[in-house]
Amino acid sequence: ILNVEQSPQSLHVQEGDSTNFTCSFPSSNFYALHWYRWETAKSPEALFVMTLNGDEKKKGRISATLNTKEGYSYLYIKGSQPEDSATYLCASDNQAGTALIFGKGTTLSVSS
Amino acid sequence: DGGITQSPKYLFRKEGQNVTLSCEQNLNHDAMYWYRQDPGQGLRLIYYSQIVNDFQKGDIAEGYSVSREKKESFPLTVTSAQKNPTAFYLCASSIVLNTEAFFGQGTRLTVV
Repeated sequence: ILNVEQSPQSLHVQEGDSTNFTCSFPSSNFYALHWYRWETAKSPEALFVMTLNGDEKKKGRISATLNTKEGYSYLYIKGSQPEDSATYLCASDNQAGTALIFGKGTTLSVSS
Repeated sequence: DGGITQSPKYLFRKEGQNVTLSCEQNLNHDAMYWYRQDPGQGLRLIYYSQIVNDFQKGDIAEGYSVSREKKESFPLTVTSAQKNPTAFYLCASSIVLNTEAFFGQGTRLTVV
């Protein structure tokens, strides 16, 4: 079973703080890394799908980077807002002939 | 409206009974997935299907069964052989295997 690790498990910040989380994944046979945001009482929604080493993607105040050689991705949130409170999941596609393997997620809480 | 629908949202069953969770999508996606979430755990893969009439076991398939007779439908049966069936179940679909996933709202199953 491939292992996808996320840290920290949970995080509490004040409104306006910038923050970042880490996703570690197997670097062998890497094909793609997905980030999803899961708000309470809603379905997970895709933020980014990244495939290239060194890739950086941005959506508003949220950005992500990818290092496929060492097997990690960072998700950054600039100027956190209460509406950013959610669990952020990453998932790896390592072409092992199976579906996406998810990490346990990082739960972010932003206080106003 | 295009989307993926799971029903019911909450389900209660007596121990020893089989129960089937519904998942329907009208996105014309080939791939569909079932994940399970327990407290403190990430999304764990139960079964996935790349195409109609084909499906593969995930990491925790024991005690579960699926079928994929139609492209839009991927029902999950939780059998009496599943030791700890009480959990939150999420269904997802994607255009093809491991592209951006779209999730349903989930079904919370409680076995008493």
